[in-house]
Amino acid sequence: QKEVEQDPGPLSVPEGAIVSLNCTYSNSAFQYFMWYRQYSRKGPELLMYTYSSGNKEDGRFTAQVDKSSKYISLFIRDSQPSDSATYLCAMSERDNAGNMLTFGGGTRLMVKP
Amino acid sequence: SQTIHQWPATLVQPVGSPLSLECTVEGTSNPNLYWYRQAAGRGLQLLFYSIGIDQISSEVPQNLSASRPQDRQFILSSKKLLLSDSGFYLCAWEGFWNTGELFFGEGSRLTVL
Repeated sequence: QKEVEQDPGPLSVPEGAIVSLNCTYSNSAFQYFMWYRQYSRKGPELLMYTYSSGNKEDGRFTAQVDKSSKYISLFIRDSQPSDSATYLCAMSERDNAGNMLTFGGGTRLMVKP
Repeated sequence: SQTIHQWPATLVQPVGSPLSLECTVEGTSNPNLYWYRQAAGRGLQLLFYSIGIDQISSEVPQNLSASRPQDRQFILSSKKLLLSDSGFYLCAWEGFWNTGELFFGEGSRLTVL
């Protein structure tokens, strides 16, 4: 079993839909959670960074962490074709530990106009 | 502002040939630097990380090596490429607060034939 599981997709939705992207993990020591967006043939860019459980909102994006279920989500409201990309979750046990990030395999999202 | 540059963007090399990928960071000093490899449909695999000049840690045994001759320069090398070295190579630097947030370059796509 992988330490971080992510459905590879592709997930295809119409423009304007609410998108839910998810990751499950097995290591209960993970405390820092990140979402990256990666456009085709580009490097990933950091979207959201959260610590421990709870919600964090940034514009159309909401990151949710449920440590009791070992489950994190990224919600995208009013999805746009420009949101079409691969979304990677990443997590670590502590801060100051960029070398200890564990990435999911990524979910490919397609938003159709 | 901080920027990270990688080159070349695309590379096609024969088996057994050498490799040199370069990464430079601007707008910051003494950053933690990382080399990742991303295989198609798979997550990011950490190859090397560096906390300073000539300080390199290797995460995966392989025929690749890394060097950091200057504070903001990180080089990935190989003396003899294998077919299995094909992939998308990403350089990254860690955010100021060393919280594990990584900022990636545009990537270098290597095809070994």
